[in-house]
Amino acid sequence: GAVVSQHPSRVICKSGTSVKIECRSLDFQATTMFWYRQFPKKSLMLMATSNEGSKATYEQGVEKDKFLINHASLTLSTLTVTSAHPEDSSFYICSARPVGQGANTIYFGEGSWLTVV
Amino acid sequence: AQTVTQSQPEMSVQEAETVTLSCTYDTSENNYYLFWYKQPPSRQMILVIRQEAYKQQNATENRFSVNFQKAAKSFSLKISDSQLGDTAMYFCAFMKHGVYSGGGADGLTFGKGTHLIIQP
Repeated sequence: GAVVSQHPSRVICKSGTSVKIECRSLDFQATTMFWYRQFPKKSLMLMATSNEGSKATYEQGVEKDKFLINHASLTLSTLTVTSAHPEDSSFYICSARPVGQGANTIYFGEGSWLTVV
Repeated sequence: AQTVTQSQPEMSVQEAETVTLSCTYDTSENNYYLFWYKQPPSRQMILVIRQEAYKQQNATENRFSVNFQKAAKSFSLKISDSQLGDTAMYFCAFMKHGVYSGGGADGLTFGKGTHLIIQP
C-alpha cells in the first residue's frame, strides 16, 4: 500500500520557539494533504487542508499564523508550529490523498508527538 | 456537511468472539466512500476496510466485514474470531467522491471512535 512518512515522530521544544513537522508521500503524488490534531482519547480534528502550490485551507478556529502550512511539492507538506506554547502540546498526524488511481483512499503518516516545555 | 456518528464509546469482548461496531452517517451526497480505520496504542492509523457507496456488495477483508445499508445510512463493522491484537480505537469515516486531481478535495469526516478491548 501507499506510504506516508512523518518526521519527527517525537519532538520537545521550548516555549516560544518554532517547530517544523514534515509529511512526505513516499511512493505517490498528492496534491492534497491534511493535517490533524488529536487530543487524548478523542477523535482526529482536522486543522487544515494543504494544497500543492497554493494556500492551505484552515478549519474554523485554527490560527493560520500559528500553524503555518507549506505544500511546496507533490510529495511534501510541512506544518510549522510558531511560537509554541505548552497548550500546543499534542499529537499531530498528517494524511495524503493520491492523485489519479488510488484517490479513493487516504493514507496516514505515523504521527508526531509535540511537547512544549 | 457530513456527519458520522459512532454511538458506542467502548466495547469489550472475549477473544475469539464476534463483535460488531456501529456507525451511522448523514449526507446529501450520492457518491462517496466509507472507511473503518484502526488506531492501536501506537497511534498509527491503519485502514481496515473501504466501501464504495455505489457498490451494493458489502466489503470484506479476511476477518473484517461490513454491513452497508445505504438507505438507512448505516455502516457497521463486524470482526470475526477477534484477537488480542484487535484491541484499538476504531474510527468510522466518510469521504466524498471527489475529483481525482486533488487540490481542495475534501478529506475524511470521522466519528468519535469506539474503543474496542479484546479480553484474553
